[in-house]
Amino acid sequence: EIVMTQSPATLSVSPGERATLSCRASQSVSSNLAWYQQKPGQAPRLLIYGASTRATGIPARFSGSGSGTEFTLTISSLQSEDFAVYYCQQYNNWPPLTFGPGTKVDIK
Amino acid sequence: EVQLVESGGGLVQPGRSLRLSCAASGFTFDDYAMHWVRQAPGKGLEWVSGISWNSGSIGYADSVKGRFTISRDNAKNSLYLQMNSLRAEDTALYYCAKDSGMGIAAAGNFDYWGQGTLVTVSS
Repeated sequence: EIVMTQSPATLSVSPGERATLSCRASQSVSSNLAWYQQKPGQAPRLLIYGASTRATGIPARFSGSGSGTEFTLTISSLQSEDFAVYYCQQYNNWPPLTFGPGTKVDIK
Repeated sequence: EVQLVESGGGLVQPGRSLRLSCAASGFTFDDYAMHWVRQAPGKGLEWVSGISWNSGSIGYADSVKGRFTISRDNAKNSLYLQMNSLRAEDTALYYCAKDSGMGIAAAGNFDYWGQGTLVTVSS
């Protein structure tokens, strides 16, 4: 099973600032990596797939990068609606599909 | 508009069974693999099971293998999860999720999610 880790667990950011979230896989997942955003009381929403391709309707301030075992989600200028928990997920080698533990982005 | 509506959750005693359903609309259901993903209260996301478009390929998390069975009825645009021998650690919000890949090549990521149905396993 591929184990996903994320850092930091919590990221405190001021509105308008850049946020950089990290995700690491225990072995290479190539570019088969997705990012999701989850707000309280809501289902997750797909942001990025293929490590760097934005899903339909996702604003350009969200960008993903990386391949192999190291990945980054960058939010270029945080808006109030971006404060949420972000999960990475690998789909290179499954079953099982595996998620990281999440990074909570909160207001500084 | 894609819609996924889960049902069937509730309070159940340890060792008992429950069957979850997911009604899909707004897309060609039998073109896509489907999945169940769960989230224990205050915890992260855990993939539970997935099924290919024609039920020919099925996978489970080790934590549910041998106890849970995924199935689908393409004529009814519905996905199911039969959960047997339930344990306290199965307590979670269960989401139905659509695979983003079309046809035989399931992608393994999820572009639409339902709102979830809560399963509580407790005596």
